[in-house]
Amino acid sequence: EDKVVQSPLSLVVHEGDTVTLNCSYEVTNFRSLLWYKQEKKAPTFLFMLTSSGIEKKSGRLSSILDKKELFSILNITATQTGDSAIYLCAVNYGGSQGNLIFGKGTKLSVKP
Amino acid sequence: DTEVTQTPKHLVMGMTNKKSLKCEQHMGHRAMYWYKQKAKKPPELMFVYSYEKLSINESVPSRFSPECPNSSLLNLHLHALQPEDSALYLCASSQDGTVFYGYTFGSGTRLTVV
Repeated sequence: EDKVVQSPLSLVVHEGDTVTLNCSYEVTNFRSLLWYKQEKKAPTFLFMLTSSGIEKKSGRLSSILDKKELFSILNITATQTGDSAIYLCAVNYGGSQGNLIFGKGTKLSVKP
Repeated sequence: DTEVTQTPKHLVMGMTNKKSLKCEQHMGHRAMYWYKQKAKKPPELMFVYSYEKLSINESVPSRFSPECPNSSLLNLHLHALQPEDSALYLCASSQDGTVFYGYTFGSGTRLTVV
């Protein structure tokens, strides 16, 4: 059965801390892995990863994919209270469709 | 225009009502999706339209009826819903159904069935 597992499910840190969120997957016909940030409404796109070992970076956020070990990590450095959100990992798999299977998410709370 | 627009943002409907959710994008994307998201859960895929044809129906009850009038519009018609159908309904689009060129979500419609 295809699945995406995120860990931890929740995390509480203080401003300035660095956090690492994990996403492991088991899917047939892997195509890409996506990270989203969800606050009150729709998920907002962060990264899409298709190749192993190539870090994608956007400001204080970065992510990398390991297709051999079937996981990805999302790093956030110097966390701020505005980083508080649910971070969703999704994997695009299967045939020609843009099917996404989501993990349950990691709820990150950044305290002042 | 790099957005997926959903209307209405909020909807309250009775179990005997008929309503529709609308989704629109003008990015030239040819694949559009409906997701349902319950509180504290990840989004669950409901329907996929590829080149205006329904390609995936994830065993969704018939009280949800999707429609794709053209390549920019996607509707979800609702009829005889149950209170457990209350959720955030998300529309998404991608360039050609392969996701490689991005996958954009709309801001969602918060649906409450009373």
